[in-house]
Amino acid sequence: AQSVSQHNHHVILSEAASLELGCNYSYGGTVNLFWYVQYPGQHLQLLLKYFSGDPLVKGIKGFEAEFIKSKFSFNLRKPSVQWSDTAEYFCAVTPDTGRRALTFGSGTRLQVQP
Amino acid sequence: ETGVTQSPTHLIKTRGQQVTLRCSSQSGHNTVSWYQQALGQGPQFIFQYYREEENGRGNFPPRFSGLQFPNYSSELNVNALELDDSALYLCASSRSGRAGDTQYFGPGTRLTVL
Repeated sequence: AQSVSQHNHHVILSEAASLELGCNYSYGGTVNLFWYVQYPGQHLQLLLKYFSGDPLVKGIKGFEAEFIKSKFSFNLRKPSVQWSDTAEYFCAVTPDTGRRALTFGSGTRLQVQP
Repeated sequence: ETGVTQSPTHLIKTRGQQVTLRCSSQSGHNTVSWYQQALGQGPQFIFQYYREEENGRGNFPPRFSGLQFPNYSSELNVNALELDDSALYLCASSRSGRAGDTQYFGPGTRLTVL
């Protein structure tokens, strides 16, 4: 079975700082990778996803993530955060075959201070 | 807004009772997945329905059961409620169960078991 680790549970940044959230997964086969965001009081929304091709994926709101297969990692980055990026961020993985349920990490709470 | 709706928004039950949660999938989607999100954790997969058939199940006991209807809406039923069942229950719909398909989440139902 696959698993996902998010190393940073709570991150506090000032506006304009750069962001990198770590995500590592454990699975022996081909995977699809996702980052979801949950803004306060809102539902989970897709930020970006990778399932094949260019390992550098660009998503909404200036976010990007890089899939490094050799490191089983899919880290999320943003060059300059805004106060409105305050939210909880979840990394998720699903295998490329079989049951396509999402396996989520425990999430990273990002707090951006103005 | 994803077009996925859930009802009710909040629910309070007592131990031993039974509960039914409902989900309407986004138009054009035939796959519905249910997740349980305990406080401070990432969502955990309960089960998935594809064209009215269960298409995979997570590590949840049989007292968690579901249905999918011909219009692809879905129900989650939980019998013999326990205190640990208190959580946010999320429904997600996708166009199919294929690799790379994005799951779109509803706002969730907050269940409190007293």
